[in-house]
Amino acid sequence: AQSVTQPDIHITVSEGASLELRCNYSYGATPYLFWYVQSPGQGLQLLLKYFSGDTLVQGIKGFEAEFKRSQSSFNLRKPSVHWSDAAEYFCAAYKAAGNKLTFGGGTRVLVKP
Amino acid sequence: EPEVTQTPSHQVTQMGQEVILRCVPISNHLYFYWYRQILGQKVEFLVSFYNNEISEKSEIFDDQFSVERPDGSNFTLKIRSTKLEDSAMYFCATATDMNTEAFFGQGTRLTVV
Repeated sequence: AQSVTQPDIHITVSEGASLELRCNYSYGATPYLFWYVQSPGQGLQLLLKYFSGDTLVQGIKGFEAEFKRSQSSFNLRKPSVHWSDAAEYFCAAYKAAGNKLTFGGGTRVLVKP
Repeated sequence: EPEVTQTPSHQVTQMGQEVILRCVPISNHLYFYWYRQILGQKVEFLVSFYNNEISEKSEIFDDQFSVERPDGSNFTLKIRSTKLEDSAMYFCATATDMNTEAFFGQGTRLTVV
């Protein structure tokens, strides 16, 4: 069955430190991959996406993600976090010609001053 | 920036009552989706809708649920007779076509008492 896994439920990071959120997928073929962020009381905002091509993708708010086919991973990174990055982050995927997203369980990021 | 708008933001209803959740898609989007997120759980796909008919639905989307786009503008999710376990955040998402990213609304928090 198709699935997306985010191994870390919570991550606490100090402001200014780097952040990496893990995402693994299980699909028959490489799916389309996404990272969404949900701030408290807000909807799901798209940070970045991977469809094909360059395996390092840049997104909004200084985030980037790297697709690694060999590891079935699509990890999200940010070199220096800001207090405003405290939120829940969701990795999601769908197979081509569908747009039915399968979400990971989410990772809640807390930012310490 | 265009956005998906959902109303109401929060609805409390008694068990057994009917509720209608509303979504105004981004104007040139043709594909519409409903997802839900039960508190503490993953975001789950409910249904996709294109060309005035359901394209795909999940096991969750049983006979109690229905969707329509009655006036060519609003996209609605109706739950005929709500159950306690229907309490969740319901997200509407829309896309220009089936192979692009979906844009999510802010969500409607449904509380069934």
